[in-house]
Amino acid sequence: DGGITQSPKYLFRKEGQNVTLSCEQNLNHDAMYWYRQDPGQGLRLIYYSQIVNDFQKGDIAEGYSVSREKKESFPLTVTSAQKNPTAFYLCASSTTSGVGNQPQHFGDGTRLSIL
Amino acid sequence: SQKIEQNSEALNIQEGKTATLTCNYTNYSPAYLQWYRQDPGRGPVFLLLIRENEKEKRKERLKVTFDTTLKQSLFHITASQPADSATYLCALAEVSSASKIIFGSGTRLSIRP
Repeated sequence: DGGITQSPKYLFRKEGQNVTLSCEQNLNHDAMYWYRQDPGQGLRLIYYSQIVNDFQKGDIAEGYSVSREKKESFPLTVTSAQKNPTAFYLCASSTTSGVGNQPQHFGDGTRLSIL
Repeated sequence: SQKIEQNSEALNIQEGKTATLTCNYTNYSPAYLQWYRQDPGRGPVFLLLIRENEKEKRKERLKVTFDTTLKQSLFHITASQPADSATYLCALAEVSSASKIIFGSGTRLSIRP
């Protein structure tokens, strides 16, 4: 079955540590996205990529970094500069880069907590 | 300021009734509005998309309306079932922000038998 796979499902970060969240898709989608979801809040866009080797900052990119070396993969690194990283992180993809006329397909998320 | 608002309180509906969820927006000019379902601990799942020139869209027991004058979308589930219990998110996209979709915080719907 085609879809998006996020791993791990749960992740713990120590102070001063960088952690990387994995996102892989086999939908052959060009565009991929990372969102952060906090309790009682909407999804907030961290980074997005419309094509391999290119990505743009979203609304809350500070303290995060990404890469897009392959079409199928869009890993997110939460750096030690992100002071409040505890959240539910969601990866999504779509067939084109947007204008909102394409549905986004989501993975099942990674829940990141601080030790 | 720009806002997209959904009922912050949970909506409790008797099985078999129609559930109606509201999405209001301020200072946006959306070309598209989408609705997603999210179960606890899972990612959102796309349900319906409606364009600004469409008044209504239906899919099985689901119906979405889009009123650009009222700046509001309504999401209806007819003949509701306990399996419809979930959080429902609306999201909008403006033509000017080609790659961004703005999500509301969602409304939790609970259908009691």
